[in-house]
Amino acid sequence: DIQMTQSPSSQSASVGDRVIISCRASQPIDTFLHWYQEKPGTAPRLLISGASGLQSGVPSRFSGSGSGADFSLTISSVRPEDFATYYCQQTYSTPYTFGRGTLLEIK
Amino acid sequence: QVHLVQSGAEVKKPGAAVKISCQASGYSFTDHPIHWVRQAPGQRPEWMGWIIVNSGGTRYSQKFQGRLTITKDISARVVYMELTGLRSDDTATFYCARDGGTAWPHHGMDVWGQGTTVTVSS
Repeated sequence: DIQMTQSPSSQSASVGDRVIISCRASQPIDTFLHWYQEKPGTAPRLLISGASGLQSGVPSRFSGSGSGADFSLTISSVRPEDFATYYCQQTYSTPYTFGRGTLLEIK
Repeated sequence: QVHLVQSGAEVKKPGAAVKISCQASGYSFTDHPIHWVRQAPGQRPEWMGWIIVNSGGTRYSQKFQGRLTITKDISARVVYMELTGLRSDDTATFYCARDGGTAWPHHGMDVWGQGTTVTVSS
């Protein structure tokens, strides 16, 4: 199985900060990498697909980059509604695996 | 508006089976594969398997092989997930989710059901 390693596991930030979350795959996965946002009690929400494709309705302050094994999710200027847990997921090969998540907390 | 609506919460005894439904609306049902994802409390999501709705083709995570069956009813626009041999560590929220693509299911999950909580307890 492909292991997905996210860092950091948690991060404190203030409104307006730039935040970068990293995700590394245990083997190259091309750009079959997706980012989700999850808030307590709700289903995950797809933010970025194919490493850099912003989903419809997702604010442009979210962006994704990377290919191969190293990827990142950037929030250019954090807003209060962005405090949540973020997961990366690979769909290069089954089983499709998720990272452990990054909890973005208010500083 | 695209929606996936799941059946309600279940409480099961160890060894029992659970079957959860996922009703789709607002899009061409046969165009998009459907995934099932399990999330135990406080844990990361875990992909269980997918079904290509128009062909019925399925793929399951080896972790659930032999216990998991995903089926569909095209006329009713419903996908089902059945998990047998339930154990206490199957206690989780189960989600259906639509694949964002229309061919091989590897485009990310762009629409999710509301989740179905399954509690396994004696």
